[in-house]
Amino acid sequence: QSALTQPASVSGSPGQSITISCTGSSSDVGGYKYVSWYQQHPGKAPKLMIYDVNNRPSGVPDRFSGSKSGNTASLTISGLQAEDEADYYCSSYTSSSTPLFGGGTKLTVL
Amino acid sequence: QVQLVQSGAEVKKPGASVKVSCKASGYTFISYGISWVRQAPGQGLEWMGWISAYNGNTNYAQKLQGRVTMTTDTSTSTAYMELRSLRSDDTAVYYCAREYGVNWFDPWGQGTPVTVSS
Repeated sequence: QSALTQPASVSGSPGQSITISCTGSSSDVGGYKYVSWYQQHPGKAPKLMIYDVNNRPSGVPDRFSGSKSGNTASLTISGLQAEDEADYYCSSYTSSSTPLFGGGTKLTVL
Repeated sequence: QVQLVQSGAEVKKPGASVKVSCKASGYTFISYGISWVRQAPGQGLEWMGWISAYNGNTNYAQKLQGRVTMTTDTSTSTAYMELRSLRSDDTAVYYCAREYGVNWFDPWGQGTPVTVSS
């Protein structure tokens, strides 16, 4: 199984909004509500930011939001802050009953 | 607080095996499964497999079938991942993560670097 498709990099200035896409197929993203997003700072473990497409765990700022349309899920970060600079990964449940991660997106805060 | 603490870094020769541990605390261990995810240097996340801490059922990534074994010890709330016949492309940081819901992993262990080199 190939990784879900994410842009390699996105950037934005403090205070702006950015959106990271995650494209799959009807066998994964499009077929299930089980999409999650992770933030990973250099040298650190991933941290859950969004689960079940658009739910935030407690402690995650409401600047982070998720959505899905067809075979593409999206993570939007509004009011960008310097500490948001990190790698972001999506994950989807698949028809094989296994998770599939995206290739990752490097977010740069200018 | 809920946390997963993994064993330390390993250096192995090609063909050898490695066994990484993941000790859970702060929650009822048998109530959730544990997934293992690895990340090669400069690369993305790769799901390796999952084990139910309740009954030991497993589900492994197809590409690792036959080389990986995941187990748990409920008496110590510890999960283990053993990878055999190591190759250079198994060099990665290996993470355990609690599968709190369908396809969502929280928290993650701190990671265990495994280097395979002759």
